[in-house]
Amino acid sequence: EAGVAQSPRYKIIEKRQSVAFWCNPISGHATLYWYQQILGQGPKLLIQFQNNGVVDDSQLPKDRFSAERLKGVDSTLKIQPAKLEDSAVYLCASEFGGGTVTEAFFGQGTRLTVV
Amino acid sequence: AQTVTQSQPEMSVQEAETVTLSCTYDTSENNYYLFWYKQPPSRQMILVIRQEAYKQQNATENRFSVNFQKAAKSFSLKISDSQLGDTAMYFCAFSFLVDMRFGAGTRLTVKP
Repeated sequence: EAGVAQSPRYKIIEKRQSVAFWCNPISGHATLYWYQQILGQGPKLLIQFQNNGVVDDSQLPKDRFSAERLKGVDSTLKIQPAKLEDSAVYLCASEFGGGTVTEAFFGQGTRLTVV
Repeated sequence: AQTVTQSQPEMSVQEAETVTLSCTYDTSENNYYLFWYKQPPSRQMILVIRQEAYKQQNATENRFSVNFQKAAKSFSLKISDSQLGDTAMYFCAFSFLVDMRFGAGTRLTVKP
């Protein structure tokens, strides 16, 4: 079974530029999460999808971050414009979506450095 | 809102010895799941062990076991016979329905 795929693995951009991350969850998984993990901290939930609908985006900085999950499969997370404090690893995770999280599967993450 | 607290930023243990990582959480829910995830250096997060809150019996997975104290809202991870490959960040996580939250993590170093 293929795991959660994320790309790119690494990205370096200048502040005020824009960047996009892509995630392909495990086939059949209805729930998809985007987490931001700043160095030395635990993952912080940015947005959560159930199929193509948003369940929770309360911690997403909507003035600069956006995310979509068209057709309930792949998802993209965009930052525009980026700030220095956005430097972090962006983790995508998926889960079967049976109504209760029993195991979330994580991708390898995208390490973003904003200079 | 649910919160997860890991009060030990770093820990170390000698190879073959036992170590316990602590986690507390806060919730008003009754049926939920608790997890310990492992994140090795530069590698992806993987599930170590899972506990369902309605089960009184503590979960065990080979060398990994938990001490789940529901009334105290405590969920510690015990690693027995520590191995060098156990060196990683360990995250305690809580889920209720599809909401999943993580603690700040404990960096565990296993010393030879």
